[in-house]
Amino acid sequence: KAGVTQTPRYLIKTRGQQVTLSCSPISGHRSVSWYQQTPGQGLQFLFEYFSETQRNKGNFPGRFSGRQFSNSRSEMNVSTLELGDSALYLCASSSMPRLLVYGYTFGSGTRLTVV
Amino acid sequence: DAKTTQPNSMESNEEEPVHLPCNHSTISGTDYIHWYRQLPSQGPEYVIHGLTSNVNNRMASLAIAEDRKSSTLILHRATLRDAAVYYCIQSEGNTPLVFGKGTRLSVIA
Repeated sequence: KAGVTQTPRYLIKTRGQQVTLSCSPISGHRSVSWYQQTPGQGLQFLFEYFSETQRNKGNFPGRFSGRQFSNSRSEMNVSTLELGDSALYLCASSSMPRLLVYGYTFGSGTRLTVV
Repeated sequence: DAKTTQPNSMESNEEEPVHLPCNHSTISGTDYIHWYRQLPSQGPEYVIHGLTSNVNNRMASLAIAEDRKSSTLILHRATLRDAAVYYCIQSEGNTPLVFGKGTRLSVIA
């Protein structure tokens, strides 16, 4: 059974540019969540999608957005990149509403460096 | 903000049991306790979760205090592969997980 696939694994962007990250959940999982991980702030929740609808959103500026497609694949976009956006971006999928049975499965993340 | 309190770091000898504590004094009746761990260069990994009763699975055991204000993750026999950051998370059933700083577990051979 394939796990959660995040692409690309590494990315270097320049300040002011925009970036799109992709996440393919485990087959059959319809819920996808995104997290940002930095050494200073740890793991912070960005947003969660279920059946193409955003269910929850964290406390991030509007430059951070996301979407989910009918095949449950999800993308997140960050516009007007800032140095502080350098982080590991993690995607997690779950078989909502059976989250409490299996928990979240995380991908290995996309390491974004903004220069 | 995270609602749980964990020690910053702990150390264990290989092949010995490890007890990782977690305080969640503000827990409500509908909040679950989840444990995840993050190995170096990987995303977090689900370990175990519980509501009121103690729970066991192939990875670990979760002991929840009677008043539910604290819990302990038990690794029965630590291996070098168990060295990771362990996160204890308090949340309602289907709400997003809010991670704290976790406990960094070091395992000594």
